[in-house]
Amino acid sequence: GENVEQHPSTLSVQEGDSAVIKCTYSDSASNYFPWYKQELGKRPQLIIDIRSNVGEKKDQRIAVTLNKTAKHFSLHITETQPEDSAVYFCAASGLGNQFYFGTGTSLTVIP
Amino acid sequence: DSGVTQTPKHLITATGQRVTLRCSPRSGDLSVYWYQQSLDQGLQFLIQYYNGEERAKGNILERFSAQQFPDLHSELNLSSLELGDSALYFCASSPGAPQYFGPGTRLTVL
Repeated sequence: GENVEQHPSTLSVQEGDSAVIKCTYSDSASNYFPWYKQELGKRPQLIIDIRSNVGEKKDQRIAVTLNKTAKHFSLHITETQPEDSAVYFCAASGLGNQFYFGTGTSLTVIP
Repeated sequence: DSGVTQTPKHLITATGQRVTLRCSPRSGDLSVYWYQQSLDQGLQFLIQYYNGEERAKGNILERFSAQQFPDLHSELNLSSLELGDSALYFCASSPGAPQYFGPGTRLTVL
């Protein structure tokens, strides 16, 4: 089955700096890659997603890039703010609409 | 609000007991997923249903079972509860992609 690895597990950045979280996947049949943000005790919320026919997608300060050949995708957050502090999960999905999640990255933005 | 509802919000019970968690998916979503999230842990996939049929199984214990009913709501049954079953249990629904998560049920086993 699919295996999604996520790095780093923790990340601290100064407010205003950029943050990058990387994920790799193993199954070339995966074709959909969402990113979720989870605040403490809350539900994971979809913040951005990308499909395999696209290399990059942006939404304001958030962007996701996908390299199908290398089987990796990354989340980029620019001009970080304290409210970006949360746990971020990547996921990969393909046949059967099963979702495989990474282990999460705890992001702390230091004011 | 994702449109996915879960009840109850909190559940406190004793070891050895049995509980049922309920999930109502977003209108029109045929797929329902269950996840377990222990303290400071990731999302452990338990099971997926699609239009009433079991589609995929993850790390679901034999003491746990689930079903999806004709109206598409789903229930997760946890029996012979142990202290280690204390966790947040999330339900998610999907029209295919993406997944939308419910607010979760926090289960505490004493």
